[in-house]
Amino acid sequence: GAGVSQSPSNKVTEKGKDVELRCDPISGHTALYWYRQSLGQGLEFLIYFQGNSAPDKSGLPSDRFSAERTGGSVSTLTIQRTQQEDSAVYLCASSSGTSIYNEQFFGPGTRLTVL
Amino acid sequence: GESVGLHLPTLSVQEGDNSIINCAYSNSASDYFIWYKQESGKGPQFIIDIRSNMDKRQGQRVTVLLNKTVKHLSLQIAATQPGDSAVYFCAEKRGGGSYIPTFGRGTSLIVHP
Repeated sequence: GAGVSQSPSNKVTEKGKDVELRCDPISGHTALYWYRQSLGQGLEFLIYFQGNSAPDKSGLPSDRFSAERTGGSVSTLTIQRTQQEDSAVYLCASSSGTSIYNEQFFGPGTRLTVL
Repeated sequence: GESVGLHLPTLSVQEGDNSIINCAYSNSASDYFIWYKQESGKGPQFIIDIRSNMDKRQGQRVTVLLNKTVKHLSLQIAATQPGDSAVYFCAEKRGGGSYIPTFGRGTSLIVHP
């Protein structure tokens, strides 16, 4: 079946521009996560959506970062006024429930380069 | 603060050897641990997991060992193959609240034919 998809796969932008990154989770998955992965680093948690609950935004690094999840499915991560330090791979994951043991399925990521 | 980390950033092995990738964690309240494999240009993929009430779990060619006394986690890969070349991450989750995993930095495994 279809896995988690992300678009675009690569995005090059100029410093100061806004970017939108899209995530299509696995159909029926209620939980959706965004992570950032810088070169040679682990995954940094950004934001978590679970069903209709208020999202956990505790990982967003600044108010330039925001995310929405429409209709409990597709999510968009928006970075305003991009900076060079925003360059990273942005990963999205989804899971089927709220149990600690629910497996996360990751998309291939969007590689963002800010010039 | 609490953290999950890895001892070795890069591990090079010969095809057919056994590989051991280590992970140290500092939060004794962690309930659940996962190993992920990330190939170049792809997202992390689940390999194997272990709950805190276990000390060993085996899969196909992979074994995870958990030592809660010293807060250490390891992934053993038997008869390593070139297709095993990837970055391996450990992650931990704590019960009783948000189940957002904390990831370690990753170890790059390079398998030479």
